[in-house]
Amino acid sequence: NAGVTQTPKFRVLKTGQSMTLLCAQDMNHEYMYWYRQDPGMGLRLIHYSVGEGTTAKGEVPDGYNVSRLKKQNFLLGLESAAPSQTSVYFCASRPDSLHQPQHFGDGTRLSIL
Amino acid sequence: GESVGLHLPTLSVQEGDNSIINCAYSNSASDYFIWYKQESGKGPQFIIDIRSNMDKRQGQRVTVLLNKTVKHLSLQIAATQPGDSAVYFCADRAAGYSTLTFGKGTMLLVSP
Repeated sequence: NAGVTQTPKFRVLKTGQSMTLLCAQDMNHEYMYWYRQDPGMGLRLIHYSVGEGTTAKGEVPDGYNVSRLKKQNFLLGLESAAPSQTSVYFCASRPDSLHQPQHFGDGTRLSIL
Repeated sequence: GESVGLHLPTLSVQEGDNSIINCAYSNSASDYFIWYKQESGKGPQFIIDIRSNMDKRQGQRVTVLLNKTVKHLSLQIAATQPGDSAVYFCADRAAGYSTLTFGKGTMLLVSP
């Protein structure tokens, strides 16, 4: 049981490039989340999904897009990367039950030059 | 390298001591609270949770205390070990919402 898997683990981009981060979970969870983590800022929610085919904005959605075409996958896209998007990105999922914790992947470390 | 620990409050303890990590939350409508542990280069790992209808919950070597009157949460770790060294985050969820609000974290350093 792999849990939540994020790919890639590391990536360096140039300003203006685009890329997609993939999150896959094998726990049949309904809810999925994308966060970014910056020094001293804690975890900030970018976008989330409450089920296949749904997406919603979080606290810091600007510059990012997401898609949830399959229940097990949640994609985070950067259309035109900016240095301010240099961060560590975490994906999480949880079941559709009250009072259940989110389970996290090990992150994607993204640097924008 | 990983720099999530910069500017974090830090608690330094000796191996074998008991550790207490505190967290304040702001939303009086929060009904579910979670503690996570994050080791360097890893994602947050669930430790223990508590619902708002409880004021104490115990796990293996960990206890979470909830004081709703002052909106305060604490994590107690008994007989702290070097492997407990990590950043600890609290998170809360408002009733009826699907998202969590995370605290900024506390770094726990355990000396042998």
